[in-house]
This record gives sequence, structure tokens and C-alpha cells, in this order.
Amino acid sequence: AQTVTQSQPEMSVQEAETVTLSCTYDTSESDYYLFWYKQPPSRQMILVIRQEAYKQQNATENRFSVNFQKAAKSFSLKISDSQLGDAAMYFCAYRTLYSGAGSYQLTFGKGTKLSVIP
Amino acid sequence: GAGVSQTPSNKVTEKGKYVELRCDPISGHTALYWYRQSLGQGPEFLIYFQGTGAADDSGLPNDRFFAVRPEGSVSTLKIQRTERGDSAVYLCASSSNGGRGETQYFGPGTRLLVL
Repeated sequence: AQTVTQSQPEMSVQEAETVTLSCTYDTSESDYYLFWYKQPPSRQMILVIRQEAYKQQNATENRFSVNFQKAAKSFSLKISDSQLGDAAMYFCAYRTLYSGAGSYQLTFGKGTKLSVIP
Repeated sequence: GAGVSQTPSNKVTEKGKYVELRCDPISGHTALYWYRQSLGQGPEFLIYFQGTGAADDSGLPNDRFFAVRPEGSVSTLKIQRTERGDSAVYLCASSSNGGRGETQYFGPGTRLLVL
């Protein structure tokens, strides 16, 4: 079974600065998807960015980008020009491409709480 | 609808009682997922529906938990003989047709507290 580890329970960043959130995962598969989700206090999980493992190019979405290191099984999220609205819990998630029981789920890490300091 | 909705937003019940949690997915989405998020943890998968059928219920913790989606849209998660350990936020998500790379759109969850 796959596991996802987020080693930073909490992080803080000054407004307008850059912060990087770490994520590592364990899998024996060669193809899969990785996601970062944001969960504000409203509890609603919102997709931030997605990476397909077979694509070597790192995904970017406006101020959000990832550093995907497949061999190291690392998938970090960089937030540039941090804004107050970025304050939230951030979850890294894995999804397999293979079929079978348990294959339809997202497997999440425990999350990193990001605070943005004005 | 515009997004995934869940009712109730909060539910307080007593140990041993029966509860039902409702999820209304995005219109037209055939794939529906239930997750449970305990305090300080990431969401954990419970069950996946493709249309009306439960395609994967491998995450249900025991036979006290059951879910239905009779008409392929609204889903209800049912918990019998609730225990204090069932206290958590129950999240529902939907996606277009269950493809691996699809975005799962989440609802705001139901916070269940079992006293």
C-alpha cells in the first residue's frame, strides 16, 4: 500500500515571501498521480495542483509550483508571493493508476498547517 | 448544483444511536467518494460509487457503516450503533466519471460528534 508523509506539521511565512511544503511518498508503482489540496477553516478541500508521474516537467498553477523528484519520491509545493488567503491546511495526496480494491481513493498525508504573517 | 453539498453541517448524537449523513454531488458526476477525517489527520477513504453501485467499499471500517446511492446522484452514509470513536468530519467528493487523474471536488463535510 502507498503511504504519504508530510514531515512539517506547521509552517509560517511572511506575506509576499515564498514557502515550500514538503511531501514524500512510498510506492512500488511507476505511474500515478500526485495532488496538493488546500483545506481552509471552512473544511472544503480545494485542489491546488496536480502532477502526473510520467511527466517530467513540474506542474505550475499561477503562484503555486511543485518540485517533483520521482527517484527520490518527493513532491514539494512552492507558494510564491504568499497571501493572507493562502493560510490553511495543505494536504499532499497520491492516486494509483492501477485497478482493484482501494485503487479509487486518494491517499492523503497528515497535512501541514500554513500560517501567513502580515 | 454548483458544488458538492453535505447535510447536516454538524451532527451531535449519543453513543448507540443511528445517524444518516447526506451528500449531494455536482450534477452529472457519476463518481462519488466518502472519506473520514479524524482530528489532526488527513482524510481516509471509506467508499467509492460509480453510478448507483458501490465499486469499492474497502475503506469501510466495519459493518456498522453502510452507504447507498439509489438513483446515482444523492448518497447517504449510514452509521449504526455509533461509538465515540466515530467522531470525525465526514467528507464527500465527486468527480466526472472516476478517471484516475480527475479532480475530486469536495463538499464542506459533516462534523459528527458522538457523546
